[in-house]
Amino acid sequence: DIVMTQSPDSLAVSLGERATISCKSSQSVLSSIDNNNYLAWYQQKPGQPPKPLIYWASARESGVPARFSGSGSGTDFTLTISSLQAEDVAVYYCQQYYSLPYTFGQGTKLEI
Amino acid sequence: QLQLQQSGPGLVKPSQTLSLTCAISGDSVSNNNVAWNWIRQSPSRGLEWLGRTYYRSKWFNDYAVSVKSRITVNPDTSKNQFSLQLNSVTPEDTAVYFCARAIKGYFNLWGRGTLVTVSS
Repeated sequence: DIVMTQSPDSLAVSLGERATISCKSSQSVLSSIDNNNYLAWYQQKPGQPPKPLIYWASARESGVPARFSGSGSGTDFTLTISSLQAEDVAVYYCQQYYSLPYTFGQGTKLEI
Repeated sequence: QLQLQQSGPGLVKPSQTLSLTCAISGDSVSNNNVAWNWIRQSPSRGLEWLGRTYYRSKWFNDYAVSVKSRITVNPDTSKNQFSLQLNSVTPEDTAVYFCARAIKGYFNLWGRGTLVTVSS
């Protein structure tokens, strides 16, 4: 199984400041067939399901604000929120969909 | 409108079978381009993918090794839904269970979740 490890486990950022979350996979999730990174990011608020934010490591889901961006390739990935808003307080998860079983990081709790 | 509606009991006794259903609106369970998944979330195990069913000229299933001997995910084309059955449950199966639609493994639509408690 591919192990996904996020850092930090929790993060406090001031409103308007940048938040950066790291995700590392135990093996590469870059496909040599289509040159895509099979890596997604989700946002989860209490009592809600995870909300898709980013897929293919850097493609924003429809309706997701432009302040959310994803980057990285191979085994190292980053989710960046360029200017933190109050509504961004949540737990963020990365997920690999390169191979079964699909696996998630342990989550990063983002606070203000 | 594309959505997934979950249903099923929130309390199951140990050794019995957990059964949940996910009704699909705005898509077809027979869509050749997606897969229909079950995922659970607990404080001890985090987010854990359990299994999926999908149609590619015929029906296929994949399951996580951790539950492979106990799980069945079935499509129901007559009702446009899919189901989860998990046999011989123990308290370690207590979790919030989500159904989710995936495109190439990316979960782009989730059900609201069902808290299932395993207790006598």
